[in-house]
Amino acid sequence: KNEVEQSPQNLTAQEGEFITINCSYSVGISALHWLQQHPGGGIVSLFMLSSGKKKHGRLIATINIQEKHSSLHITASHPRDSAVYICAVLGGAQKLVFGQGTRLTINP
Amino acid sequence: DGGITQSPKYLFRKEGQNVTLSCEQNLNHDAMYWYRQDPGQGLRLIYYSQIVNDFQKGDIAEGYSVSREKKESFPLTVTSAQKNPTAFYLCASSDPGWDTQYFGPGTRLTVL
Repeated sequence: KNEVEQSPQNLTAQEGEFITINCSYSVGISALHWLQQHPGGGIVSLFMLSSGKKKHGRLIATINIQEKHSSLHITASHPRDSAVYICAVLGGAQKLVFGQGTRLTINP
Repeated sequence: DGGITQSPKYLFRKEGQNVTLSCEQNLNHDAMYWYRQDPGQGLRLIYYSQIVNDFQKGDIAEGYSVSREKKESFPLTVTSAQKNPTAFYLCASSDPGWDTQYFGPGTRLTVL
């Protein structure tokens, strides 16, 4: 079993829909990152969380340390949100452990 | 503009040849990382360096080598000992507080 599991692996939705991507982890962590990877391969850091909730524009990330679970929400989704979203946890030895990613496709 | 550059974007090599991937950053970060990405899998750590002249093996270091002679540069050599080198390679750096991971644009290596 992977230390970081994301669900769903693939998600297709219509423009305007509310999107939720989930991340569960099995190791102790000091922080959790949400990353976005576009088709060209480049990765952008969206959020770093250690507790609670963060919001940036239409993106909201939450984390529940006790349940070892984080969610990434996208409100009013748009085709330009289509990308792979990656959850990564910062565990021991200051190294990131990555989930396998969720491929999101938003159709106009 | 501050950031990380990787070159080249696409690289083709014949089997049995060593190849070096470049990674340069002007963010003044001490920590730098090399990851490998394969289809359907999460990023896996190859090597990392937390300070100049020091580096550590990651989870899949076999068949790879690195150097960190300068703070801004962390080149990765894929040797002929790497059994399956065709992959997408990403370089990253982080600030001391780990608030943000900065990634380069990646190099797609294809071994023919």
